[in-house]
Amino acid sequence: NAGVTQTPKFQVLKTGQSMTLQCAQDMNHEYMSWYRQDPGMGLRLIHYSVGAGITDQGEVPNGYNVSRSTTEDFPLRLLSAAPSQTSVYFCASSTDRGYGGHTGELFFGEGSRLTVL
Amino acid sequence: DAKTTQPPSMDCAEGRAANLPCNHSTISGNEYVYWYRQIHSQGPQYIIHGLKNNETNEMASLIITEDRKSSTLILPHATLRDTAVYYCIVRVYTGGFKTIFGAGTRLFVKA
Repeated sequence: NAGVTQTPKFQVLKTGQSMTLQCAQDMNHEYMSWYRQDPGMGLRLIHYSVGAGITDQGEVPNGYNVSRSTTEDFPLRLLSAAPSQTSVYFCASSTDRGYGGHTGELFFGEGSRLTVL
Repeated sequence: DAKTTQPPSMDCAEGRAANLPCNHSTISGNEYVYWYRQIHSQGPQYIIHGLKNNETNEMASLIITEDRKSSTLILPHATLRDTAVYYCIVRVYTGGFKTIFGAGTRLFVKA
């Protein structure tokens, strides 16, 4: 299993450009989440999904869109990039199923580092 | 979910036990205590979790007070590779997808 895969790992955008950060998981987890982490700060929840077709807002949703058309994929879209969105973005997945040793924890990707000029 | 309070930073000598405290005085009866750590700029990594009883795994031990208002994560023999930010989180078991992370404790393990 690859776990949680994020692409791209690095991206530089100009103000006003749009882009999509990709996130895929191969663990058949029903839950997926997006976080951002600014330098020297903790993680903040952007959006999350409890299953295909169902998404909801987290702590800092403004400027971002998400969709969940399949269990495996949860892309994050920046509609019009701003310098304030310069950050490291982490995607995570989890499950509540009690079999297979699952403990309800989050599995994180390696992160996508975004710079907006 | 209940909020937690952690010291911003701690030091530990290599080879000694690292004891990281966490206060969660408003914890509810159905809320678990989870610990994660984040090494440098990697994605956070799950360490351990518990409800009432003390827990131990290959990475660490979790000690929860009887009133459940505080807990301690113990790394029994800290190494330089344990230098990281450690997050204590309190949440219901089914709420992993909307976990709220605080600032955590930055642990420095020194040779």
